[in-house]
Amino acid sequence: KNEVEQSPQNLTAQEGEFITINCSYSVGISALHWLQQHPGGGIVSLFMLSSGKKKHGRLIATINIQEKHSSLHITASHPRDSAVYICAVAGGNTDKLIFGTGTRLQVFP
Amino acid sequence: KAGVTQTPRYLIKTRGQQVTLSCSPISGHRSVSWYQQTPGQGLQFLFEYFSETQRNKGNFPGRFSGRQFSNSRSEMNVSTLELGDSALYLCASSLTGTKSYNEQFFGPGTRLTVL
Repeated sequence: KNEVEQSPQNLTAQEGEFITINCSYSVGISALHWLQQHPGGGIVSLFMLSSGKKKHGRLIATINIQEKHSSLHITASHPRDSAVYICAVAGGNTDKLIFGTGTRLQVFP
Repeated sequence: KAGVTQTPRYLIKTRGQQVTLSCSPISGHRSVSWYQQTPGQGLQFLFEYFSETQRNKGNFPGRFSGRQFSNSRSEMNVSTLELGDSALYLCASSLTGTKSYNEQFFGPGTRLTVL
């Protein structure tokens, strides 16, 4: 079993829909990262969380430390949100970043 | 502030050769981490350097090595290249590394193809 599990693996949506991507982890962590990767490879850090909730524009990230679960929400999705979203945790015994397999999101106009 | 830069952006090598990739972090950032991304394995942590010292290492063979210079620039080296080393190699910088509450800033990556 992977230490970081994401669901769903693939997601398609119509423009304007509310989107949720989930991340569950099995190790103790010091922080959880949500990353966005566009075709071509560039990765952008969206959020880093250690507790609670963060919001940036149409993006909201939440984390529940007790349940070892985080969600990334996109409100009013737009085609430019189409990308792979990756959850990564920092912590465990070694403090290295451990990545989920990513969620591929496609938003159609 | 200039972002994280990586050179070269693309590289084609043949099996058995060695390769050196370079990463220049954001000015003031002291931590540089390296990652390998392949279609089969996804993103995997290679190593992290902080103040010229390797602070963490992933599960990769000894053919993968790295170093960090006093100006925080980092290089990684892969010797005796294998076909399976074909990947996107990403570096990321942060103020003090993943242990603390600091965001990671990623470079554009170096796409290595081994023929």
